[in-house]
Amino acid sequence: GENVEQHPSTLSVQEGDSAVIKCTYSDSASNYFPWYKQELGKRPQLIIDIRSNVGEKKDQRIAVTLNKTAKHFSLHITETQPEDSAVYFCAAFYGQNFVFGPGTRLSVLP
Amino acid sequence: ETGVTQTPRHLVMGMTNKKSLKCEQHLGHNAMYWYKQSAKKPLELMFVYNFKEQTENNSVPSRFSPECPNSSHLFLHLHTLQPEDSALYLCASSQESAGSYNSPLHFGNGTRLTVT
Repeated sequence: GENVEQHPSTLSVQEGDSAVIKCTYSDSASNYFPWYKQELGKRPQLIIDIRSNVGEKKDQRIAVTLNKTAKHFSLHITETQPEDSAVYFCAAFYGQNFVFGPGTRLSVLP
Repeated sequence: ETGVTQTPRHLVMGMTNKKSLKCEQHLGHNAMYWYKQSAKKPLELMFVYNFKEQTENNSVPSRFSPECPNSSHLFLHLHTLQPEDSALYLCASSQESAGSYNSPLHFGNGTRLTVT
């Protein structure tokens, strides 16, 4: 089955700096990769996604890159703000379901 | 604001109790899911229903019993739970789960369950 690893588990950055979170997956059959943001006490919310036929996607300060050969994908957040502080989960759609990474706790320090 | 509503938000129950979690989605989706979220662990898929039919039971103990009466409603019936079952239980929906087409999950706010 699919296995998704995510690094780092915690990340602290200064406000205005960039943050990068990386995920790897094991099965080349996975074809869709969403990223979710979960603020404390709230539900996970989709922030960006990418399909396997695309190498990069950007939405304002957030971008995702996908390297199918290496089987890894990354979330990039530029010009970080305190409201970006949350836990971020990557996921891979495999078979008929999503497999999630363990999450990265991002803290943006003012 | 969410198209997926879960009740109750918090639940405390003893190991001998029977309770049910409810989920309702207003997004017109055809697939619904139960996930368990424990501290420092990845989201664990429990059950999947696609067009009201259960398509996945991820080796979940029988003390958890799902019910999906229609594409908009999903229940999780709980009985004789253990303290280690304490977690956040998240419901989600998506347009469709099977085949080559896939769409993102939309989560509810979850039910924080504590088993005493």
